[in-house]
Parts: sequence; C-alpha cells; structure tokens
Amino acid sequence: DQQVKQNSPSLSVQEGRISILNCDYTNSMFDYFLWYKKYPAEGPTFLISISSIKDKNEDGRFTVFLNKSAKHLSLHIVPSQPGDSAVYFCAASALMTGGFKTIFGAGTRLFVKA
Amino acid sequence: EPEVTQTPSHQVTQMGQEVILRCVPISNHLYFYWYRQILGQKVEFLVSFYNNEISEKSEIFDDQFSVERPDGSNFTLKIRSTKLEDSAMYFCASSDMVGEQYFGPGTRLTVT
Repeated sequence: DQQVKQNSPSLSVQEGRISILNCDYTNSMFDYFLWYKKYPAEGPTFLISISSIKDKNEDGRFTVFLNKSAKHLSLHIVPSQPGDSAVYFCAASALMTGGFKTIFGAGTRLFVKA
Repeated sequence: EPEVTQTPSHQVTQMGQEVILRCVPISNHLYFYWYRQILGQKVEFLVSFYNNEISEKSEIFDDQFSVERPDGSNFTLKIRSTKLEDSAMYFCASSDMVGEQYFGPGTRLTVT
C-alpha cells in the first residue's frame, strides 16, 4: 500500500541547473507535507514543509509546490549545487490524536554534477 | 542546536536475542517516533508515542516490539526476540506540535 510515491529512484542534474523532485500521494487525509534530505549513514534531515492550505512554500534555494487536486507535490532546488547530492524523501503527515503519523516515500537519489 | 541522539550506533546480536535501542529526544518535544530503514529500501514508520502511550503503530510493530519512556528523557525500542529480517537502520525522531520531526543519526542493527 504505497500511500506516498516517488516514482523516480534517481535524478542527475548539472550544477547550477534546476532539480525537480516529484511526489504523489493517495490519501486525502494528509494535510502536511515535508521533504527530508538524507546523506549515507545519517538520519533524515528536515528540509522544507508545506501545509495543505498553501500551494507554495519557499526557503532560499528550495521551493515546494503542492497541487491538492492532483495529490502531487514537488521540490525545486535552484540553483543545484554538488552538496545537494543526497537522497530526498517526500513525507506526508496526518495529525492524529497522538501526534503526526508520517508516511515516507521511497526516496529519490539526486546527483548534482560539477 | 538541540538534537536527537541514539545509542549505540551499531548493535550486533544473534537471532533470538533481545535488543534495546536507546534514544534521547529533544528535551521540549512531546511526540516520539521510531522508524526503520532496511538497506536499500524506504524509511518505514514503526510507532509513535505521546503522553506515555503508543498513539499509532504500523503492522510492522508486532508483539515482538515495545517502546518505553522510562525516565522522562530516554525513549527506548525493545525487540524481544530478534529475527534476521530485523536487520536495519533504526531511527528515532521527535517533534513538537508543528509536525517537523527531528531524526537521530540511527542505530544500525545487525542480526546474525
């Protein structure tokens, strides 16, 4: 039951260009979406989030877009830098009684070439 | 900057043995989570914990698993009788009401 899907296992981008990472979800109960970045041998690191009441959130080089009707979100990184090379996980959260239940996508490995 | 810590970083155990993975969440956080990532696979939710009780758990979190917050700072995951397929990275996370979860560095569990 893949409630959160990242269909591209990897993405390769030239330094300075835009990286676009995509994510689809199936459950309309999700109301908060997050992107995490993960380097090997480290835990996921929170990158940026968006609430379902917004369609865009920007933080420096990172912008997340949400299309609720399509149940789709994307992360744009511009300009991409070699240090951005990592695995990016999309996550969708629903606020339950005891906190957020968060489902992660399978991840997309981003390679930024110098 | 406050961070989530986990110990040990690597645990090797024999099949059938009990293991306890330890986490110290960020001190003012109220929600605590365990996730696992089997090598090459996705990060999977195991359990969330709030107000001293389990609030959500996945189908992975069966009777072999338990969580505890024994002393107000540590948050532990116990696997009662480990199986080979329990080998994975186990991540602890904590959050406040906002929803952003802060992850620890993980414990690599190897069951032989």
